[in-house]
Amino acid sequence: QVQLVQSGAEVKKPGASVKVSCKASGYSFTGYYIHWVRQAPGQGLEWMGWINCNSGGTNYAQKFQGRVTMTRDTSIRTVYMELRSLRYDDTAVYYCARDQATVTTPFFDYWGQGTLVTVSS
Amino acid sequence: QSALTQPASVSGSPGQSITISCTATSSDVGGYKYVSWYQQHPGKVPKLMIYDVSNRPSGVSNRFSGSKSGNTASLTISGLQAEDEADYYCSSYTNSDTRVFGGGTKLTVL
Repeated sequence: QVQLVQSGAEVKKPGASVKVSCKASGYSFTGYYIHWVRQAPGQGLEWMGWINCNSGGTNYAQKFQGRVTMTRDTSIRTVYMELRSLRYDDTAVYYCARDQATVTTPFFDYWGQGTLVTVSS
Repeated sequence: QSALTQPASVSGSPGQSITISCTATSSDVGGYKYVSWYQQHPGKVPKLMIYDVSNRPSGVSNRFSGSKSGNTASLTISGLQAEDEADYYCSSYTNSDTRVFGGGTKLTVL
């Protein structure tokens, strides 16, 4: 069955970087895009960007341009999201989600369990 | 400010029907053909409920339906049940191959 398993919770200081992983199983890894979506405490979902797991191509939300990098390692079926220069308002649960766009149309059919990133001094 | 506007909250009694709207405020949402809806219970992962405006994934109750008129998409839940109480988010594909979410709607079952 399709699974996206994310790395564990992180606590970082302002100005630091965080790298969250998302390990995929149960489907053809390179056949899909993976997106990252975050949710600050008590707030809504915010789209951050996607990575093409085949080519490694990326597309980031303008808000995160220059501060986020998404990469993948096809040998271990894992996608990474690195966010730099962390601020207090980056405290959020970060989700990875699989996109069906390469197969049918764009929507997120499977989600990771979420990774809480806390930015605190 | 999101390119998709949803009401902050809606409510209904068990057995009733409710509708959550999602209005595109930007022309960047690619003709608004690819609208999807997600349900999120507190502390849980979002769950796909509707895709491509009106298609329901297997396993999702047929009490959930989607539609679109002009630049407003809607999610309707009929025969409201206590378990439907959750946050609901619409999402759309955009012309620049990005995605956008609405601000979310909190559904309260009275």
